[in-house]
Parts: sequence; structure tokens; C-alpha cells
Amino acid sequence: EAQVTQNPRYLITVTGKKLTVTCSQNMNHEYMSWYRQDPGLGLRQIYYSMNVEVTDKGDVPEGYKVSRKEKRNFPLILESPSPNQTSLYFCASSLWPTNSPLHFGNGTRLTVT
Amino acid sequence: SQQGEEDPQALSIQEGENATMNCSYKTSINNLQWYRQNSGRGLVHLILIRSNEREKHSGRLRVTLDTSKKSSSLLITASRAADTASYFCATDYFGNEKLTFGTGTRLTIIP
Repeated sequence: EAQVTQNPRYLITVTGKKLTVTCSQNMNHEYMSWYRQDPGLGLRQIYYSMNVEVTDKGDVPEGYKVSRKEKRNFPLILESPSPNQTSLYFCASSLWPTNSPLHFGNGTRLTVT
Repeated sequence: SQQGEEDPQALSIQEGENATMNCSYKTSINNLQWYRQNSGRGLVHLILIRSNEREKHSGRLRVTLDTSKKSSSLLITASRAADTASYFCATDYFGNEKLTFGTGTRLTIIP
């Protein structure tokens, strides 16, 4: 089944404790992206990747890192999480960045205390 | 950043009625997409319409695009309880390889 898999689904952590949210897709997509969703703000792009070893900042990259060592995986790293990073995070992938449908993971709800 | 804005923010209708939601945007687009999100879950792609298209259908969904008014509408006919969800439009602009999402319309279907 074609899908984007994110883990974990829920995560509660404390300020400053490094964490990684994993994302994997099995559709051989070139493009992958991370979004955060906050009430009233919609989805905002954090980072995206056009291909292996090619990553770029989105609209809200501060406090986040990503890597794309393999085509299928695109982990999101929070080196020192802060409470303002409490949010619902989505990974997505597609053939092309804009003129093809984005396939989303089921989300990771992160709480930083 | 430039984005589509959905209208209304929330909509409640009786099951079986038609639901219409709108998306307005600011700058000429290449493509416009509609997505559905069930509570707290990942978004699901519904329809992509290109700037040179005026209307597209998919099952009970009908999307129109009016580039002169910089707006799009999503019509769901014969609504069902399972259509209860948030609906988002997303746009991309010439020279900008990024999809930008609006803040969504929350649709509630009353059984």
C-alpha cells in the first residue's frame, strides 16, 4: 500500500531534550516536506527536499533540522525543543513539489513542556 | 506568505444537502488543489485544477476555478456524515516551487 509513515504518533518531551520524528515513504517520490499545523495558522512548511542530499528551508525553519540521506526517509530533528514547538507535525511526499498531489502521513502530535 | 483563504471558516448543514466552500487567493496561480482532513489526521488530496481549467469533477465533488476573480469553489453534493472534516485549498505560483495552504473550512454534516 502506498503510504507515508510517520513515527511516533504522539510525543511528550521536556525543553531541551533532542528528539527525532521519522518519516518514510514507499512511493519513490522525489519531493518530501515537513509541515506544522497550529490552530488558526493552517499548515506552515518547515523544510522540504527536492531529492537526496537536497534540502531547503520553508517558512518556519528555526529550531528544526532535516536530512535526506536516502530517497525514502526524511527525518525531522529538534535539537533543543522549546514549548513554542508544541504542534501537530505532518510529513508529506509527492512526485513534484507543486503540480502533483501531496501524500501526507498521519501526523505526530508533539508536546514540549 | 501568500496563501489561499477559505470561506466560510465553518459550515454546518443537514445530511443530504449540498455544501459549498470557497477559496480566494492573491496572485496568479499555476495550480490549485483541495484537500480534506479528518480530525487530527493527515490531509487527503481531493482534486487538482490547473490555471487553464475552469471546472473538474470527482464523484460528488465539483471544483470550479475563476482566475479573473482569483477564486475557487468546492461543491460537495448530497453530503454524508462521513464528509464531516476540514477542507483546505492550496496554491502554487509561477516561479515558486512551493504549495501554500489556507487555514481551512470546518464542515459539519448533521445527521
